[in-house]
Amino acid sequence: DAGITQSPRHKVTETGTPVTLRCHQTENHRYMYWYRQDPGHGLRLIHYSYGVKDTDKGEVSDGYSVSRSKTEDFLLTLESATSSQTSVYFCATDSLTNNEQFFGPGTRLTVL
Amino acid sequence: AQSVTQLDSHVSVSEGTPVLLRCNYSSSYSPSLFWYVQHPNKGLQLLLKYTSAATLVKGINGFEAEFKKSETSFHLTKPSAHMSDAAEYFCVVTSGAGNNRKLIWGLGTSLAVNP
Repeated sequence: DAGITQSPRHKVTETGTPVTLRCHQTENHRYMYWYRQDPGHGLRLIHYSYGVKDTDKGEVSDGYSVSRSKTEDFLLTLESATSSQTSVYFCATDSLTNNEQFFGPGTRLTVL
Repeated sequence: AQSVTQLDSHVSVSEGTPVLLRCNYSSSYSPSLFWYVQHPNKGLQLLLKYTSAATLVKGINGFEAEFKKSETSFHLTKPSAHMSDAAEYFCVVTSGAGNNRKLIWGLGTSLAVNP
């Protein structure tokens, strides 16, 4: 367990509202990732970070932005939530040393 | 480009019988490969990983996988299924290096274990 927490764990919001999801890690891992999981699609990468203030887009980045001002925190923001962003969001970290990713418990987001 | 294909979206076995979950990958270099498991309404847990050491990899809960470069496969097996093995299984391959290092995920195989 890499000490990854996500908040909130559940959220219901309305279309057009901004939403921020937080990922916090205690392992000092350099790499952090945001995924979304939808039935029939597996996990898809939204954005990732390879260091403080260093981020890049994944395969489904439209409508999402991220920020990483500290090693331990990686924020995912939906500027204006849409129903298509209803999903389960997972944060992950990568130590590189062990060559594996560690996952948070997930956030279930519903956009009405 | 790297990709991964899980050949079965659903597999159903009886308790006590062998499990085989199939995964083929495509990679332009020697990849690292992983199997993750996700139990219903739970997070993701690493089952096992291959990182260019032994081709037969043993994981948790009696699972193992064999890396076959000639067949570009990394199938997951278990000799005897248990009811608690019912879950979603994901085959994953690494892509890129350095700052662009990412994981490419298969779509998952849902394993049902019947009593």
